[in-house]
Amino acid sequence: QSVLTQPPSVSGAPGQRVTISCTGSSSNIGAGYDVHWYQQLPGIAPKLLIYGNNNRPSGVPDRFSGSKSGTSASLAITGLQAEDEAHYYCQSYDIGLSGSRVFGGGTRLTVL
Amino acid sequence: QVQLVQSGAEVKKPGASVRVSCKASGYTFSTYTIHWVRQAPGQRLEWMGWINTGSGKTKYSQAFQGRLTFTRDTSADTAYMELSSLRSEDTAMFYCARESPGTFYFKTWGQGTLVTVSS
Repeated sequence: QSVLTQPPSVSGAPGQRVTISCTGSSSNIGAGYDVHWYQQLPGIAPKLLIYGNNNRPSGVPDRFSGSKSGTSASLAITGLQAEDEAHYYCQSYDIGLSGSRVFGGGTRLTVL
Repeated sequence: QVQLVQSGAEVKKPGASVRVSCKASGYTFSTYTIHWVRQAPGQRLEWMGWINTGSGKTKYSQAFQGRLTFTRDTSADTAYMELSSLRSEDTAMFYCARESPGTFYFKTWGQGTLVTVSS
């Protein structure tokens, strides 16, 4: 059972926009801690996609964006491309677990 | 460039221990915390804990209490993760990841080390 809850899967056609939600609680996202997002392609280590709720590391296309409100956060991908097919994980900090880092259960994005 | 390079795949018997290394390059090793993350086949990322590579202070996830030990060798710019009393459920890819001070996210990851536990 993950501390952060994500939908197991989402899908969209090329060119469309999809969003992935990440729901936490008052001890992590709701306590004001930032949410970060990672993309994991099959067989490869995760890659930082969004940090600090809505910031992109250099090299990440602006098709990817993040937002946060209350105890939840979202990752949006616009102009969906076949290469976006991957697993996406949200991550935050949890004060209730003595400073643990916590991940969501992951969402598999399928590009139809 | 900043890199974390992990040791190779391991096959262990139940009850044994495994040690995975994570060698850093391209930055000052002792100024960044190293975290470890486990990912069982087809499963989610699971945070294991961290080691402050400067002080050696550690924090472990309660899920691994008593079986997990993080160490570091600052002369070799290398962090180590040792997991003991291995069971089949420990079969997984293990990643090390670097966290910048105060940021709580992981910008740099190792390539992963597959540990297979099988009799």
